[in-house]
Amino acid sequence: DSGVTQTPKHLITATGQRVTLRCSPRSGDLSVYWYQQSLDQGLQFLIQYYNGEERAKGNILERFSAQQFPDLHSELNLSSLELGDSALYFCASSKDQGTWPQHFGDGTRLSIL
Amino acid sequence: DQQVKQNSPSLSVQEGRISILNCDYTNSMFDYFLWYKKYPAEGPTFLISISSIKDKNEDGRFTVFLNKSAKHLSLHIVPSQPGDSAVYFCAASAKDNQGGKLIFGQGTELSVKP
Repeated sequence: DSGVTQTPKHLITATGQRVTLRCSPRSGDLSVYWYQQSLDQGLQFLIQYYNGEERAKGNILERFSAQQFPDLHSELNLSSLELGDSALYFCASSKDQGTWPQHFGDGTRLSIL
Repeated sequence: DQQVKQNSPSLSVQEGRISILNCDYTNSMFDYFLWYKKYPAEGPTFLISISSIKDKNEDGRFTVFLNKSAKHLSLHIVPSQPGDSAVYFCAASAKDNQGGKLIFGQGTELSVKP
């Protein structure tokens, strides 16, 4: 158990819809990262928050957004969903940024029908 | 542009022998490297890391070697056990990256046969 909690585990929805993925980091971790793993692809970095502030952005689509709340949990919002958004979405957390290992949750599997 | 590459999609090893997983990178700004293990339906589990100021880090059966001049790192598992069967990812982060985001390789699936 990594200590990182992601909900829900599975999400099935239709094209055009909007969903919210939730992540609770490990106790004491200030940084939260979101990654996407599509079929046959490695993990791709989406966005990072540190202590409530956005710190780094990857190839995150404009239809996607995220935030980190004062209690340090984070939400990833995906809107106007397309079939290609079907993927595993992982959240990771670390104590700080830089040379600290990131610990991952078990992911949310998003299926767009 | 694949900055972190794991050229072997799969590796099969006999129980008790050494498993060697390889990873190459292209970005000379990377200064922190990690290995993760992933079982199906679970998230990646952190195994071991190494910073660019070292060339070796050891933790139990796991040792990571870093060759900066060759931009190559490897993970050695000795002795290999059937429970080590999983997908292994190497990852790297760059010193110029304020956030510490990780760039992942495509993974190598290790199978340890009894």
